[in-house]
Amino acid sequence: KQEVTQIPAALSVPEGENLVLNCSFTDSAIYNLQWFRQDPGKGLTSLLLIQSSQREQTSGRLNASLDKSSGRSTLYIAASQPGDSATYLCAVGGGSARQLTFGSGTQLTVLP
Amino acid sequence: ETGVTQTPRHLVMGMTNKKSLKCEQHLGHNAMYWYKQSAKKPLELMFVYNFKEQTENNSVPSRFSPECPNSSHLFLHLHTLQPEDSALYLCASSQEIIGVYEQYFGPGTRLTVT
Repeated sequence: KQEVTQIPAALSVPEGENLVLNCSFTDSAIYNLQWFRQDPGKGLTSLLLIQSSQREQTSGRLNASLDKSSGRSTLYIAASQPGDSATYLCAVGGGSARQLTFGSGTQLTVLP
Repeated sequence: ETGVTQTPRHLVMGMTNKKSLKCEQHLGHNAMYWYKQSAKKPLELMFVYNFKEQTENNSVPSRFSPECPNSSHLFLHLHTLQPEDSALYLCASSQEIIGVYEQYFGPGTRLTVT
């Protein structure tokens, strides 16, 4: 059974810092990995999707990497802003379940 | 409207009530999903529909009954719920499930069972 772990559970940084969120998964037989953002009480917004054949994806200030062999992904946020404050969720797709398996998320607070 | 919409956004119901959650996607997708998000727990997949056929039921209690009349609409019928069923219920859609395409989520329905 796929298990997804996100570390840290919560992170607080001053505005302008670069930061890294971590995601690890136990079953490397995946199709893809998605990073989502969730604001309090709201739905999920897809940030980046990395296919299993890719090593990284970039969108604006966000860069996500994928290392299937070690079962790890990182989300790098450059020059953080207070508007980046949210919960960031990592989800792994595929494997034997052919489903998305989510981590518990990292709650990010960027202080002005 | 675009994307994935859900109604109602908030619902309070007693344990003896019957209610339904509605999800509609305007993306031309063929797969739709129901997820449950409880406090301090990861999202839990409940049901998966692909081309209107249910393909996954992750041991969900029978008090939750899904319905998918067409590829654009998905319902979750609720009856005789328990307080522990209070959660955010999220609907999502994707092009297909094979290969696990990118999923797009609705804003969710916040359900409170009293």
